[in-house]
Amino acid sequence: EAQVTQNPRYLITVTGKKLTVTCSQNMNHEYMSWYRQDPGLGLRQIYYSMNVEVTDKGDVPEGYKVSRKEKRNFPLILESPSPNQTSLYFCASSLRARGPGELFFGEGSRLTVL
Amino acid sequence: AQSVTQLGSHVSVSEGALVLLRCNYSSSVPPYLFWYVQYPNQGLQLLLKYTSAATLVKGINGFEAEFKKSETSFHLTKPSAHMSDAAEYFCAVTDTNAGNMLTFGGGTRLMVKP
Repeated sequence: EAQVTQNPRYLITVTGKKLTVTCSQNMNHEYMSWYRQDPGLGLRQIYYSMNVEVTDKGDVPEGYKVSRKEKRNFPLILESPSPNQTSLYFCASSLRARGPGELFFGEGSRLTVL
Repeated sequence: AQSVTQLGSHVSVSEGALVLLRCNYSSSVPPYLFWYVQYPNQGLQLLLKYTSAATLVKGINGFEAEFKKSETSFHLTKPSAHMSDAAEYFCAVTDTNAGNMLTFGGGTRLMVKP
């Protein structure tokens, strides 16, 4: 089944404790992206990648890192999480790097930073 | 810079009634427009998209949207609401320059009363 898989789905952590949210897609998509969803703000892009080893900042990249060592994986790293990073995070992918095409979303990872 | 405004963060309709979710966009170049739906505890999935072909776009589950350039609008409609339509709906905009970098509206939560 074609899908975008995120893990963990739910996580409670404490300020400053490094964490990684994994994202994997099995559709051979070139483009991958991370969004955060906050009430009333819709989805805001954190980082995106147009291909392996190519990443770039979105609208709200502060406090986050990403890497794209393999085409299928695009982990989101929070080196020192803070409470303002409490949010619902979505990974998404699209077939072509330049689009605009349909974005396929994972089921989301709800992160709480205490 | 692009932007999307969704009028009404919450919309309530009775089952069988018309659904109208409003979306206005701002874009300095011809836009591509999307509607995504998010069911509880799930990721977003594409309902329909406008990519400069027909201005009336039909999507899944009986939804459609009309692109009106003069009004910079892309409102989503469905003639008769079902209980299963209860979800959050997001309008998004991009263009050939921005590619896959969609700008999302704040979302509208649709409630359907029996």
